[in-house]
Amino acid sequence: DAMVIQNPRYQVTQFGKPVTLSCSQTLNHNVMYWYQQKSSQAPKLLFHYYDKDFNNEADTPDNFQSRRPNTSFCFLDIRSPGLGDAAMYLCATSNQVYEQYFGPGTRLTVT
Amino acid sequence: RKEVEQDPGPFNVPEGATVAFNCTYSNSASQSFFWYRQDCRKEPKLLMSVYSSGNEDGRFTAQLNRASQYISLLIRDSKLSDSATYLCVVTLKGAGGFKTIFGAGTRLFVKA
Repeated sequence: DAMVIQNPRYQVTQFGKPVTLSCSQTLNHNVMYWYQQKSSQAPKLLFHYYDKDFNNEADTPDNFQSRRPNTSFCFLDIRSPGLGDAAMYLCATSNQVYEQYFGPGTRLTVT
Repeated sequence: RKEVEQDPGPFNVPEGATVAFNCTYSNSASQSFFWYRQDCRKEPKLLMSVYSSGNEDGRFTAQLNRASQYISLLIRDSKLSDSATYLCVVTLKGAGGFKTIFGAGTRLFVKA
C-alpha cells in the first residue's frame, strides 16, 4: 500500500543533543511537509518542500532544519532541542496543493 | 483575527444526532479546502475535500461558500466512532509558494 512512513515512532533525546527525524513516502508526491503538534493544539506547519524548493514558515525557529535528498525522503533536524520542542512531529505529503496525507508521527521527548 | 477559525467546541451529542461544524477563513485568495479528523494521539486523516458545489460522502456533507468565506461539515446519524477532533484546513497560494493553514479543531464527543 502506498503510504507515508515515519521513523522512529518515539524518540527520546537529551536537552541540546541534535536529533534527526525521518519521513519516507511511496506516494510519489512532489510536496512534503513537516508539522509540529503539541497537546490539544492544531498541527503547526514548520516548512515544506515543493519539489526541491524549500519553503520555511516565517516563525519557524532556526533550530529546525530540513533536508530532502530525493523525492521519497525528507528529514527534520533539530540542532539543539529544548524542553519546549517536545511534541509530536508529523510528516505529510501531497500532489501539488491537493489533499495531504500524514504519516503516523514521531513523538519526541526531551529530557 | 485568525486566518482559519472553527467553532470552539467541544460538542457533546447523543448517538443518532445531526451535528454541524463551521469554519471561516480570512483570505479570499484561499484555493483548496479540506476537513480532516484526528483521533487522540493519532495523525490527522483526510475526511473530505470541499468543493464549491458541495459534496457528500455517506453521512458526511461538506459545503463551501466562497462569498461568505465559510466552510461547513454536517454529520448525520452520529456514531460513537465519530468521536474525534475535526480540523478545517485551507490552502492558499502566495508570492512565496503556498500556505496550508489548520484551524484549531473542534472536538466531538458522541455518547450512547
